[in-house]
Amino acid sequence: RKEVEQDPGPFNVPEGATVAFNCTYSNSASQSFFWYRQDCRKEPKLLMSVYSSGNEDGRFTAQLNRASQYISLLIRDSKLSDSATYLCVVSARFNNNDMRFGAGTRLTVKP
Amino acid sequence: GAVVSQHPSWVICKSGTSVKIECRSLDFQATTMFWYRQFPKQSLMLMATSNEGSKATYEQGVEKDKFLINHASLTLSTLTVTSAHPEDSSFYICSARDHRTSGVTDTQYFGPGTRLTVL
Repeated sequence: RKEVEQDPGPFNVPEGATVAFNCTYSNSASQSFFWYRQDCRKEPKLLMSVYSSGNEDGRFTAQLNRASQYISLLIRDSKLSDSATYLCVVSARFNNNDMRFGAGTRLTVKP
Repeated sequence: GAVVSQHPSWVICKSGTSVKIECRSLDFQATTMFWYRQFPKQSLMLMATSNEGSKATYEQGVEKDKFLINHASLTLSTLTVTSAHPEDSSFYICSARDHRTSGVTDTQYFGPGTRLTVL
């Protein structure tokens, strides 16, 4: 079983749509959780950290369910510029020295 | 945010040659840097953790004699792929941890990556 699993997609949605991505992780000792965004042939960029209580940053909402070892990302009012691959990242150490990446979920937002 | 650079951004080489990739933190000191590899449509895989002034820590399955890591200063880590073969062709990405941000949310900043093609 992979350490971090994501639905690879692709998700093709129209502008303005709401889309949700899910991610599961296998290590119950995981401490830190993130969503990164990666554009084609580019490096990953931090989108947001995920906190136990859930957190929101503009159109993006992240949720964490430790009992189910499950993380989600919700994007509201999708923009064309949201088209990218979204990577779920988990770390079992507080200093994030061992970040484990999911393979990513590809999102394409169409006009 | 903090800036991390990599050089070269892409390289094509013949099988059997060695390739050195540099990772620099431009506006902060990074005692810890990380090297990842990403094959097409796959996740980033951590190869090794590079610590300034000490030996790198390699992940299971990564050959330390093939992927030589040197972290001689607080702003530079190098990865040398020795005797490269076509199966080493991949996207190599480094990241550096900014120790100005302390605590549980130490942030890793990624370099732009180096695309290696071995013929």
